Amino acid sequence: GAGVSQSPSNKVTEKGKDVELRCDPISGHTALYWYRQSLGQGLEFLIYFQGNSAPDKSGLPSDRFSAERTGGSVSTLTIQRTQQEDSAVYLCASSSAVRTSSGNTIYFGEGSWLTVV
Amino acid sequence: EDKVVQSPLSLVVHEGDTVTLNCSYEVTNFRSLLWYKQEKKAPTFLFMLTSSGIEKKSGRLSSILDKKELFSILNITATQTGDSAVYLCAVSPSGGGADGLTFGKGTHLIIQP
Repeated sequence: GAGVSQSPSNKVTEKGKDVELRCDPISGHTALYWYRQSLGQGLEFLIYFQGNSAPDKSGLPSDRFSAERTGGSVSTLTIQRTQQEDSAVYLCASSSAVRTSSGNTIYFGEGSWLTVV
Repeated sequence: EDKVVQSPLSLVVHEGDTVTLNCSYEVTNFRSLLWYKQEKKAPTFLFMLTSSGIEKKSGRLSSILDKKELFSILNITATQTGDSAVYLCAVSPSGGGADGLTFGKGTHLIIQP
């Protein structure tokens, strides 16, 4: 597709289970971001991948959260031993490697709505 | 630490009214400011502003940046119920790090018929 694709769009899981969220960025975009948005809160940065560089994991809230990006394209965000406070919309975004003096625009996927019960 | 503050946090107006949404920021090495509209889940891009005083327009929406006073406004004229959404402001710093955006908490705009 032409845009950022995320799956699943909705996921309900039991507390303590592991979940995997998938993101397929726009073709040719080397930068990929994961954000989290809890109800009533702003967007919270989680992790950033740029090409083959080591990812910036500074936003991951705990060691239960991890992310991979295989082959410089598709990314998977994994949450282990989910807790109720993990319930949120997880948004993936991508941008091109072309850096202008104005910066880049990043494009968002539709998000994965995670509910931990 | 970079900071983006939006106001008001929520706003309810009647269809046809004009609204102004505010965004102030503190960021090291500012590069650009972006506005997004968020309905349901994913934000959609509206404007990217890099230069002071140059208005960007798209239909009934317009935005302008003041880099001296460190703020931006988003105007919506002749509002329609379809404009109801959360409007997010974000700033992009230059330099290293994630190159990710720092977002404000958003303004929740409700347009009543």
